[in-house]
Amino acid sequence: EAGVVQSPRYKIIEKKQPVAFWCNPISGHNTLYWYRQNLGQGPELLIRYENEEAVDDSQLPKDRFSAERLKGVDSTLKIQPAELGDSAVYLCASSGLQWNYGYTFGSGTRLTVV
Amino acid sequence: AQSVTQLDSQVPVFEEAPVELRCNYSSSVSVYLFWYVQYPNQGLQLLLKYLSGSTLVESINGFEAEFNKSQTSFHLRKPSVHISDTAEYFCAAALYNFNKFYFGSGTKLNVKP
Repeated sequence: EAGVVQSPRYKIIEKKQPVAFWCNPISGHNTLYWYRQNLGQGPELLIRYENEEAVDDSQLPKDRFSAERLKGVDSTLKIQPAELGDSAVYLCASSGLQWNYGYTFGSGTRLTVV
Repeated sequence: AQSVTQLDSQVPVFEEAPVELRCNYSSSVSVYLFWYVQYPNQGLQLLLKYLSGSTLVESINGFEAEFNKSQTSFHLRKPSVHISDTAEYFCAAALYNFNKFYFGSGTKLNVKP
């Protein structure tokens, strides 16, 4: 089993530029999550998908962030335009029907906005 | 709202010494509790979880955590740590039957030789 795959691992961009992150969850996991982890803090949920549907996006800054999960498998998280405060690690996770058994996380994308 | 507090941001300890990483949650309803470990430049890995039943749960690498409802705590312990246990540990909670994890700010465990 490949696990949750994220790319790229690292990204450095200038402020006001766009950036996109990609995630491939574990095969068969219908729930996908995007988390943001600021330096020295725990992860915070940005958005949760059940198959193709975004069921919790209350913490997603919708003025500049967008996400999609076409066909209920891979997902892309986009920021446009990026700001200095967006520098963080963006984590993708997935879970099966028994989410309370825990999420499986990817290695994350470390974004640096300069 | 749910919150998770990890009281210690860093815990230095010598190899083979015991360690306790503290975690408290705020909730008046039933919760699921988790400990995750994050090694440098890696994602979070599930270490152990409490769902129901026995209040003492164990991991395969010697860690254990005890759910204490009266103190709303879920402290992580290991009787003898190894250098390889050096990592950051995150406590998380989710309300019963509501799929949303709340994470603490993490505790960096630094095991010294």
